[in-house]
Formats: sequence, C-alpha cells, structure tokens
Amino acid sequence: GGIITQTPKFLIGQEGQKLTLKCQQNFNHDTMYWYRQDSGKGLRLIYYSITENDLQKGDLSEGYDASREKKSSFSLTVTSAQKNEMAVFLCASSMGDWVYEQYFGPGTRLTVL
Amino acid sequence: GEQVEQLPSILRVQEGSSASINCTYENSASNYFPWYKQEPGENPKLIIDIRSNMERKQTQGLIVLLDKKAKRFSLHITDTQPGDSAMYFCAASATYQGGRALIFGTGTTVSVSP
Repeated sequence: GGIITQTPKFLIGQEGQKLTLKCQQNFNHDTMYWYRQDSGKGLRLIYYSITENDLQKGDLSEGYDASREKKSSFSLTVTSAQKNEMAVFLCASSMGDWVYEQYFGPGTRLTVL
Repeated sequence: GEQVEQLPSILRVQEGSSASINCTYENSASNYFPWYKQEPGENPKLIIDIRSNMERKQTQGLIVLLDKKAKRFSLHITDTQPGDSAMYFCAASATYQGGRALIFGTGTTVSVSP
C-alpha cells in the first residue's frame, strides 16, 4: 500500500503572510487534489492536477496558488493569510480522475493569528 | 458553483438501529456518487460508492440508493455500532473547466449511543 504525507501537520501564520503546504504520495497516482475543510462546510476543492505540471482550479482557488512539481508531489500556497482563519487542508490522490477512489492525507491544520 | 446538499448535519441513534443520510445534487450529468467516512482525528476514507447505472448497492451493513430522476442519493447504515460514530460525507462527480472532480456535501456527524 501507499501513503500520503502532508507537511507541516500544524501551521501557524501571521496575517498577510505567504504560507506553503506540501503533499507527497507514493501510490504513483496521476491525480492529486487540495481541499479545504471548515467546520460545518464539508470539503471544498481548491486545486487539482491530473499530471505533472498540470493545474486545474476548483471552487475555492482564489487566494491560493498550487504547483505540481513532479508526479509524487503537490504543494499549495496561501498567498496572503487572513486573520482569524482556521481550517484543515487535506491533500488527496487518485489513480485516474474522479471515478477512482481518492486517498486522503492526514491534513495540515492552519491557524492565522 | 454546483452544490451537494447533505442532511441531516447531526444524527444521533441508538446502537442496533439504522441511520440514514440523504444527499441531493444539481447536475443531471453527475454519474458517480461516493461516500466517505471520517473518524475523529483521521482522514476521510471511501466506504461505498455507486454509479449512475445502478439504483442500489449494498456492502457490509451499508446500503446506498440512487434516484437519478430526483437527483437524490442516500446512505443507510443498518444495525449501527459504536464504531459507526463518525463524520460521513457524500459526494457527486462534477465537471470543471479542464477536467472533472468531486463536489462534497457538508457532512453528517453520526453518533451511536449504547
């Protein structure tokens, strides 16, 4: 079996700061995703990528950048952290596109002071 | 953008009874509907899914029903156990510019009491 690693596990930033979250998978999956999970709002898609160097916007892409540096890694940047923002960012991967099971990482919990 | 509505947001049941979660979607082109379970402190995991060529699917105490006409699908947990206590998310396939992905519902917290 494979594993998805997200770093850091906890991220505390200041308002206006640029923050980067990283995700690695060793499933050899083609597609990777970034979701934001807020309490009571489920999982919202920020960006996804169907192959290396590909990038597709989700519903929540404003305020974020992403980069698929290689097949196994997908990073997300919060371009300007908002004060009092608190959410969990989940990375996921799947073999192909959405018709395949998505495997999720443990998440990065963001707090902005 | 498209949304998936999921109800109820909180569901409390007695051990041994059944629990039902309902979701509705907007796009008639959606054709894949997975359900994910997220236990406290854990990441979401796929527990069952159904495609649009089916109306019912059952596995290990879980039943999923799909009504394409009403754009509605549901998860039924039969004979609930304390281990079924978790957050459950439904999802529906969606088309984005450049590709396809999933839209998730807002989640249902299921609490099974002894």
